[in-house]
Amino acid sequence: DTAVSQTPKYLVTQMGNDKSIKCEQNLGHDTMYWYKQDSKKFLKIMFSYNNKELIINETVPNRFSPKSPDKAHLNLHINSLELGDSAVYFCASTAGTSGINGYEQYFGPGTRLTVT
Amino acid sequence: RKEVEQDPGPFNVPEGATVAFNCTYSNSASQSFFWYRQDCRKEPKLLMSVYSSGNEDGRFTAQLNRASQYISLLIRDSKLSDSATYLCVVNKIKAAGNKLTFGGGTRVLVKP
Repeated sequence: DTAVSQTPKYLVTQMGNDKSIKCEQNLGHDTMYWYKQDSKKFLKIMFSYNNKELIINETVPNRFSPKSPDKAHLNLHINSLELGDSAVYFCASTAGTSGINGYEQYFGPGTRLTVT
Repeated sequence: RKEVEQDPGPFNVPEGATVAFNCTYSNSASQSFFWYRQDCRKEPKLLMSVYSSGNEDGRFTAQLNRASQYISLLIRDSKLSDSATYLCVVNKIKAAGNKLTFGGGTRVLVKP
């Protein structure tokens, strides 16, 4: 059983399109995250939700909009895709937001987005 | 200056040898420290937490030096399966939720 799953695994699309990435965790965790890992391998946090509530929103263009329909799901919608959006997007979850529960992040397998 | 800096490597290590590398962090308010491991084209996974007094987990030893603001990871008796990118991770407590800041990773290649 996959603990944190993402779909799709690969996404190739043209500039200007709108696309969504979905994430689901079956760990019973309260907190979920979206990270972007660029070509230089830096992993940067984008958003975090705790029990469907947005708690971390880093400086991310408005074209990126997360949605959490329930605490097991966190989706990411991207409007008007740009070349610079090409990266691997990882979803992650933790049992909580503080203490040890917030430290061990369980990552999904990643979505490799290529914008042409 | 990046919040968390690592030597990207690669560190080419003969099988059975010891390898060590550091990570520096810029924010003295950082609370907690971790090493994550990321295999090629895979997701990161927690390797170990780093405690103030230093800690070991099998062949892996992590150290924290708060005065100089760096953490280190030492791998003894390297195995081929240790080949991976090791990500240094620093935690700051925000008003709402933890925020983990990842370094760019140190690549380790263990060769026969």
